[in-house]
Amino acid sequence: QVQLVESGGGVVQPGRSLRLSCVASGFTFSSYGMHWVRQAPGKGLEWVAVISYDGSEKYYADSVKGRFTISRDNSKNTLDLQMNSLRLEDTAVYYCAKPDGARTVLDAFNMWGQGTMVSVSS
Amino acid sequence: DIVMTQSPDSLAVSLGERATIYCKSSQSVLYRSDKKNYLAWYQQKPGQPPKLLIYWASTRESGVPERVSGSGSGTDFSLTISSLQAEDVAVYYCQQYYSTPHTFGQGTRLEIK
Repeated sequence: QVQLVESGGGVVQPGRSLRLSCVASGFTFSSYGMHWVRQAPGKGLEWVAVISYDGSEKYYADSVKGRFTISRDNSKNTLDLQMNSLRLEDTAVYYCAKPDGARTVLDAFNMWGQGTMVSVSS
Repeated sequence: DIVMTQSPDSLAVSLGERATIYCKSSQSVLYRSDKKNYLAWYQQKPGQPPKLLIYWASTRESGVPERVSGSGSGTDFSLTISSLQAEDVAVYYCQQYYSTPHTFGQGTRLEIK
């Protein structure tokens, strides 16, 4: 079945870096754009970034632009999020999410991973 | 950026009664070329990732009960649960996917009265 499994979360000091990964299975990963969405403790959902199915297009939320980089390896069915210059306000559960439609970044998310927790603390 | 505003922030409804949540976007999310509203609704229960309920503003995701429905167009939308069940207790979010960033509403907490 369709599955997304995130990893890489942990506790990190402000200003440091962390790399998250999401391994996909059960669908043709290379045909779908993929998203990262985060949720701070007790707060709502915040869209973070998207990458097109072939990696040619990438878009970011203003809050992470210039600090986070989204990437993918279609040969390994993996989606990554490189997070640099981390701030206290980046503390959140980070989810990878798959859109319903192939080859588009404009679609609802019909599959989510279980999330990985990132805690930025001194 | 398109701002999504939900109302109310929280809602308490008796079992078997109707619950309606509203979502307003700061600009239209109706694409003229395909006449589709790029608007989704999600349900999130504690400790779980969000679950897609409704897409294109009114299309029910497979497996979602018929008592859950979405309506609206342009900038004004609503999610209705016609007869509230205990398993519907959750936080509900609307989201626009008309343009990046794919912004979410702030969420509406639905409880049993």
